[in-house]
Amino acid sequence: DAGVIQSPRHEVTEMGQEVTLRCKPISGHNSLFWYRQTMMRGLELLIYFNNNVPIDDSGMPEDRFSAKMPNASFSTLKIQPSEPRDSAVYFCASSRQGVGNEQFFGPGTRLTVL
Amino acid sequence: GENVEQHPSTLSVQEGDSAVIKCTYSDSASNYFPWYKQELGKRPQLIIDIRSNVGEKKDQRIAVTLNKTAKHFSLHITETQPEDSAVYFCAATTSGSARQLTFGSGTQLTVLP
Repeated sequence: DAGVIQSPRHEVTEMGQEVTLRCKPISGHNSLFWYRQTMMRGLELLIYFNNNVPIDDSGMPEDRFSAKMPNASFSTLKIQPSEPRDSAVYFCASSRQGVGNEQFFGPGTRLTVL
Repeated sequence: GENVEQHPSTLSVQEGDSAVIKCTYSDSASNYFPWYKQELGKRPQLIIDIRSNVGEKKDQRIAVTLNKTAKHFSLHITETQPEDSAVYFCAATTSGSARQLTFGSGTQLTVLP
């Protein structure tokens, strides 16, 4: 298995532009998580899905952020419009549903908003 | 919601010595506590976990202990090696239907040769 796949690995954009991050979870995993990591705030959960349905989006910082999971093998995190304070590493992780099942992280997308 | 506090934020030890990282959690219903290791520029990876029905778990040089009464758990690394240098995160699973992980703030461990 290739593991969790994220694209792009690096993204540099200008303030005000739309940014779309993509994630392909491990086949057979039915829970998917989006995290943001910064030096100041550490590892924050933004949103997570069970069986393609958003369960908890309370971590999404504001309306500029949105996430979708149209099917079991694909999810997107969109920022529109982007701002410099959105600069961070965004990780996608997946697991089998249920407590105690390991979350496998993707390689992350390093986003820089100028 | 769950709140996880982790200490220390940085830890330096001599190669061969032991390292201990401690975490406390707030939700007494939390029942799963994983530890992740993140090397510089890499993704977090699970190194060990413990469920609330167990007090201690060991895997070679790594062990985790859990005190449910006090709501704290600890990571112990013995005979540290330079490759143990990384950021370590503790986490706790919230109760109820949410079940997501709440992470601690991380500990930067440096093993000095």
